This record gives sequence, structure tokens and C-alpha cells, in this order.
Amino acid sequence: GQNIDQPTEMTATEGAIVQINCTYQTSGFNGLFWYQQHAGEAPTFLSYNVLDGLEEKGRFSSFLSRSKGYSYLLLKELQMKDSASYLCAVDSNTGKLIFGQGTTLQVKP
Amino acid sequence: NAGVTQTPKFRILKIGQSMTLQCTQDMNHNYMYWYRQDPGMGLKLIYYSVGAGITDKGEVPNGYNVSRSTTEDFPLRLELAAPSQTSVYFCASSPRAGGEQYFGPGTRLTVT
Repeated sequence: GQNIDQPTEMTATEGAIVQINCTYQTSGFNGLFWYQQHAGEAPTFLSYNVLDGLEEKGRFSSFLSRSKGYSYLLLKELQMKDSASYLCAVDSNTGKLIFGQGTTLQVKP
Repeated sequence: NAGVTQTPKFRILKIGQSMTLQCTQDMNHNYMYWYRQDPGMGLKLIYYSVGAGITDKGEVPNGYNVSRSTTEDFPLRLELAAPSQTSVYFCASSPRAGGEQYFGPGTRLTVT
């Protein structure tokens, strides 16, 4: 079967670092996406990992371990505007993406 | 470029009514997708298309129909609307299978 797990909610403090985990079990795997979705808006692309390791892009980094079926999104120097849902999605080699339910991050002052 | 556009932004339907949600993209992408997102939940795939004239069912296709007569347009048809179809509907497009998807702004549909 196809399964993607993320925590439902997380809370962090402005200026801190937060790590959002995603574990997956899929019949195929080409790569893993992270999307950001602010309340009432459409998802927007953050990152795409194909190979094992850490990809850094400004304050955001994404890590992948294919052997463990595990990824995380790391957000540094949190800002209030980072309050949003973060969706993990797997390209399972079916022509479609499989989305997790998303993690709602609340950043507090 | 406008990217992916969706109309209408909001709609209220009565039970049993029908409607078409419009989706257009100007990026010449072959792959297009329709998702629904219920409050606090992830995206569930309704239908998708790999090119003009080709469509296939996703995870939750019951109660919906699609067509893809051109590369640009991918309308979603709701027949006999039910309260369970109250949701936010997103259309997306991608240049390749399993590639980054570009989302439209969404249509918020309420069925009462």
C-alpha cells in the first residue's frame, strides 16, 4: 500500500529551529516534495529530494533517507510568516504524487 | 503568465444541483490534476490527465467527471451535488509525470 505519515500539529517559537518529519511506505519511489500551504491559499513548492542527504535553500533545508523511508524539513530562524501547513508528497513512479495529511505549524512570539 | 487559473472562487450549491469547476493553465503542461482538500486534511486526488484526450481516476472519483479536450483546459463536473462534496478544490499542472505541481488558487464549494 501507499502510506505517508506526518505529525498533525507543531508549535515553535519565533527565532527558533523546527524539524518536521515525514515517513513513507510506497510501492515505488522517485523523489519527495515539500510544499508550504498558508491558510486559505494554494500549496506552493518548497523542495524536492531525489538523493540521500541534506538540501539547503536559505532558511529551509530538506533531508532524505531512501533506505529508511524518511524525510524532514528543517526551518531555521523561524518567523511569524512561517505559520502554515507543510505537506510532504512522494513521487511513487505512478505519474501522480501521494500527499501526506500535512503538518500545521504555529509560530508563537 | 497567469499559471493555473480556476473559476469560480466560491460557490454554494443546493443538494442535487450540478456544476462545472473550470481550470486553465498557460504553461503548456501535459499533466493536470484535480484534488479536494477537506478542513485540516491533506490533498486527495480526484482525477488526473496525462495529455489531451486522456484522463484517469484518482483516489476519490465518485460523483465527479472530467474531460480534457485541449492541453490548456481540464474542467471538473459535479453531478447531483451532495453535502459530502463540500470542500476546497484545487487544480494543478505539471510538466512531467511525478514532477513539481503548480496549483491554482482553489474553489471553495459548499453544498447545502
